[in-house]
Amino acid sequence: GESVGLHLPTLSVQEGDNSIINCAYSNSASDYFIWYKQESGKGPQFIIDIRSNMDKRQGQRVTVLLNKTVKHLSLQIAATQPGDSAVYFCAERGKLIFGQGTELSVKP
Amino acid sequence: DGGITQSPKYLFRKEGQNVTLSCEQNLNHDAMYWYRQDPGQGLRLIYYSQIVNDFQKGDIAEGYSVSREKKESFPLTVTSAQKNPTAFYLCASSTYVRTNYGYTFGSGTRLTVV
Repeated sequence: GESVGLHLPTLSVQEGDNSIINCAYSNSASDYFIWYKQESGKGPQFIIDIRSNMDKRQGQRVTVLLNKTVKHLSLQIAATQPGDSAVYFCAERGKLIFGQGTELSVKP
Repeated sequence: DGGITQSPKYLFRKEGQNVTLSCEQNLNHDAMYWYRQDPGQGLRLIYYSQIVNDFQKGDIAEGYSVSREKKESFPLTVTSAQKNPTAFYLCASSTYVRTNYGYTFGSGTRLTVV
């Protein structure tokens, strides 16, 4: 069946390093993807999105890359800060399911 | 400001009791959702509603009930039939179900059975 999933459940990085969080999807017809950030005890919040006609989209310190050939997207966080510690989810437009998420821990 | 509000933030329930979690949105969204999140787990869909007076079961609807009498409100009742209700509950809304460009989430309700 169709699914959206993340590769690794946890990621630990040093403060100031770059972080890369990966996500795979199975529906080649998916046309829009979203990344959410969920801090402890809070609801997920929108970070950045990307349409399938784009390969890359940049925000403030975040970049999302989309590789439609291998059905993979990644979220890159530059100069990771302690405030980036959270669980990150990817999602597809119109899909009601979310993957497990990747928990990012930032070491000072 | 437009948004989605869940209440209460923390809720304690005795065994055998029903409890109702509130979710209200003023975003004029047609679709609303309830998700359950357990520690270290992703979001699991309980129920969703596309329009007023209509709702569908998600993956884990057993032991839960919902109503959608108003566009703005989508309360979730956790019944005594739900054997393991302790969890973090998230409500969300979107413009539509299948063609939406993302969800707006509430801040969650943490339910604990005592």
